[in-house]
Amino acid sequence: DTEVTQTPKHLVMGMTNKKSLKCEQHMGHRAMYWYKQKAKKPPELMFVYSYEKLSINESVPSRFSPECPNSSLLNLHLHALQPEDSALYLCASSGVVLSTDTQYFGPGTRLTVL
Amino acid sequence: SQQGEEDPQALSIQEGENATMNCSYKTSINNLQWYRQNSGRGLVHLILIRSNEREKHSGRLRVTLDTSKKSSSLLITASRAADTASYFCATDAYSGGGADGLTFGKGTHLIIQP
Repeated sequence: DTEVTQTPKHLVMGMTNKKSLKCEQHMGHRAMYWYKQKAKKPPELMFVYSYEKLSINESVPSRFSPECPNSSLLNLHLHALQPEDSALYLCASSGVVLSTDTQYFGPGTRLTVL
Repeated sequence: SQQGEEDPQALSIQEGENATMNCSYKTSINNLQWYRQNSGRGLVHLILIRSNEREKHSGRLRVTLDTSKKSSSLLITASRAADTASYFCATDAYSGGGADGLTFGKGTHLIIQP
């Protein structure tokens, strides 16, 4: 099973709302990632978790709060977002042993902030 | 900052023709990967080429890597309508081992005319 699942597929929220994005994989991967992709732009790295610990944070605003409860799950908690945060949020996973491991991506959550 | 730059940004060809996309990058890499994305959905991994490899094949795909010129090309032979998508090159962001995030190029939007 090489599938990464993400829920919800679509999310509309107001600037005062709190919501969470969820990502799950059962490939035994110990690295998980969040990327943000604006329309007609390439994905941009937000966070990297390695062995359930945050290893890379690409200077993401604190209104985005990642969480890795276990080796299969990755959450992204959202609070007080701005309309410019509207984007496709992609989760990915990979092995950790080699930096050459393939990253497998989920279908994404399309977020609209009103 | 963007690591990879794709060229061309858009490409329209007839079904059955070959499509070639190029990617340039700026810093040393461990590997370079190509991904496909259909209509703002998740990314599908196509092929990974390591820094010590010069050419790699997978089905109708051929990838070359020239580390001296910091460039790569993706050739899709005998194109099909289903190949219509955006194609991104991606490089590992860091030179160390372990879980690295990917830095994506701007992408080439490929349209296959039936």
